[in-house]
Amino acid sequence: EPEVTQTPSHQVTQMGQEVILRCVPISNHLYFYWYRQILGQKVEFLVSFYNNEISEKSEIFDDQFSVERPDGSNFTLKIRSTKLEDSAMYFCASSSNRGLSEKLFFGSGTQLSVL
Amino acid sequence: GEDVEQSLFLSVREGDSSVINCTYTDSSSTYLYWYKQEPGAGLQLLTYIFSNMDMKQDQRLTVLLNKKDKHLSLRIADTQTGDSAIYFCAVRSNDYKLSFGAGTTVTVRA
Repeated sequence: EPEVTQTPSHQVTQMGQEVILRCVPISNHLYFYWYRQILGQKVEFLVSFYNNEISEKSEIFDDQFSVERPDGSNFTLKIRSTKLEDSAMYFCASSSNRGLSEKLFFGSGTQLSVL
Repeated sequence: GEDVEQSLFLSVREGDSSVINCTYTDSSSTYLYWYKQEPGAGLQLLTYIFSNMDMKQDQRLTVLLNKKDKHLSLRIADTQTGDSAIYFCAVRSNDYKLSFGAGTTVTVRA
C-alpha cells in the first residue's frame, strides 16, 4: 500500500539553527499538508500546498516557516531560526483531491527537538 | 475555530468493548474521522463518517454520531492487544482543515 514517508524520524538542533524536514507524499497525490503536535497537545494544522503554492496556512505558520516542492517527489518544511517552542512532532500528509470527503494520508512524523 | 475534545486515557480488558468519546463545537462540521497512531508510526485512518449519518459499522469498529449534541464515539468490539494505541478524533469543516483532538491513549490489559 502506498504511504507517505518522512525523514528524518528524529532531528535534534540548537536554538537559532535552520532545519529542513522532508516528506515524500504518495506519488499520484496533488495536495500536501504539514501538521504538528507539541507533546501533550493537539495535532495542529500548519499549512496546505497545491500547484506549487500555499493554499492555506494557520497563524502558527509565520515568516520563520516555509514549504517547498523542490522536485517531483519531495515536499519540505523549513524552519529558518528554530525556537524552543518549535519542538514537536511534525506530520506530513497528502491527498489526491481537496474535497471535503477526501482522506488524508499521514506519514510517521519527524520528532524535532530544539535545545 | 473548531474545538475538539477527547478524554486522554482508556484502559480496557482484552475481549471487552472499548468506547472512545469525542466532542466538537462546529455544527457545520462535515466529515468526522478516527485516526490510530501506534508507537513509531504515522496517523492511520481507521474510519470516517459523514455528518448526515448517525452510525457506521466496519467490522469491529462502530462509529456513532450525535449531531445535535456534537458527540462522536468509536466503539471497538472484542478489543485485542494490537488495538493498544493513541486514537485521534478529527473533524473537517467547510474550510477543509482537519481539527484534531489531543488523542486517547488506549491500553489493553490481559
